[in-house]
Amino acid sequence: QVTLKESGPVLVKPTETLTLTCTVSGFSLSNARMGVSWIRQPPGKALEWLAHIFSNDEKSYSTSLKSRLTISKDTSKSQVVLTMTNMDPVDTATYYCARIPYCGGDCYSDYWGQGTLVTVSS
Amino acid sequence: EIVMTQSPATLSVSPGERATLSCRASQSVSSNLAWYQQKPGQAPRLLIYGASTRATGIPARFSGSGSGTEFTLTISSLQSEDFAVYYCQQYNNWPPTWTFGQGTKVEIK
Repeated sequence: QVTLKESGPVLVKPTETLTLTCTVSGFSLSNARMGVSWIRQPPGKALEWLAHIFSNDEKSYSTSLKSRLTISKDTSKSQVVLTMTNMDPVDTATYYCARIPYCGGDCYSDYWGQGTLVTVSS
Repeated sequence: EIVMTQSPATLSVSPGERATLSCRASQSVSSNLAWYQQKPGQAPRLLIYGASTRATGIPARFSGSGSGTEFTLTISSLQSEDFAVYYCQQYNNWPPTWTFGQGTKVEIK
């Protein structure tokens, strides 16, 4: 059974760094061309892709947020970590992690975590 | 960056009727397009990938079509559980970058 679960702080202050962890089960982060993505959704708004990391450790970032994001993985712990620096109230959102089962011709997410709401406020 | 534009923003449909949702890309994405359904308080659920392939367990009333820059999601006969927000997403190049549309809300008429 494939599951993903996001964890991290519920509340962060402006200018702080956010660190979120996605713990996965039911698959291995070392599977060929498998990936994990981070996506966020401000309250009442659309989905916004943030970053991917793949089994070969290749990474991809949103152009608009690239300077603030770092994605990494610990295959032995089945975890993917996203850090976002210099948080601002506009970064208040539900943050999701999602699995990419195989990134070849197609590269979509088939399983998503439940999401974690992060509020940025002083 | 590829921009995805969905229309309409809101679609009012009666149960049993057909719903047609559109998604346009600012440049060709070939068939590298997925559709997701999202209900309130839930994570998105994959419906369609490769523009027209239904994901595992997705009912046949959902169908996707199109390529290049114009795509359509059709729900042939709306059921009560289909009222939700639908997002298109393009995935292109390697390593891939994603862009989501702004969503279409399908509501009960």
